[in-house]
Amino acid sequence: DGGITQSPKYLFRKEGQNVTLSCEQNLNHDAMYWYRQDPGQGLRLIYYSHIVNDFQKGDIAEGYSVSREKKESFPLTVTSAQKNPTAFYLCASSIPTLGNTIYFGEGSWLTVV
Amino acid sequence: QKEVEQNSGPLSVPEGAIASLNCTYSDRGSQSFFWYRQYSGKSPELIMFIYSNGDKEDGRFTAQLNKASQYVSLLIRDSQPSDSATYLCAVKTGAGNQFYFGTGTSLTVIP
Repeated sequence: DGGITQSPKYLFRKEGQNVTLSCEQNLNHDAMYWYRQDPGQGLRLIYYSHIVNDFQKGDIAEGYSVSREKKESFPLTVTSAQKNPTAFYLCASSIPTLGNTIYFGEGSWLTVV
Repeated sequence: QKEVEQNSGPLSVPEGAIASLNCTYSDRGSQSFFWYRQYSGKSPELIMFIYSNGDKEDGRFTAQLNKASQYVSLLIRDSQPSDSATYLCAVKTGAGNQFYFGTGTSLTVIP
């Protein structure tokens, strides 16, 4: 089935650790995005990429890093520099037609312990 | 200045009533407008999108866009308890191909 797969669904991070969230899509979409959602809040853009080997910072990029070595993959690393990483992380992709509709993966819950 | 604003609610309507959700945006160059539904603990699901002034209907849902007033709304007819969720408004801006999301409106449909 076509879609966006995020893993792991639940992740616990110790203080000072880096963790990487995986995002894979088989929709052949060019653009991919990472959003963060805090409880009761809207979605805030962390990073986005419109093409392989190119990505741009969103509104809250500090403490995060990404790579886009393949069209299908857009992993997000939450570094130890991110002081409050506990949140729901959503990966998304979009197509240039249909108004650039954006579709989401199922999300990953990250908790600092 | 927030790009996209929504009334956070909560909004409560009785089953069978019409629920009206509103959204305003600040960038006049915005091109496309989207409504998503998000159940608690789940990722957002696309309900519909609109990019021309006027109304667009899809089943029980109608999106309304007024670019002059920078206003987009979602009407849900014959509301069902399963419609209880948070509804997110999203706007695609002209520059940078970025999407901006509102904070969402929580809707409860009372049986």
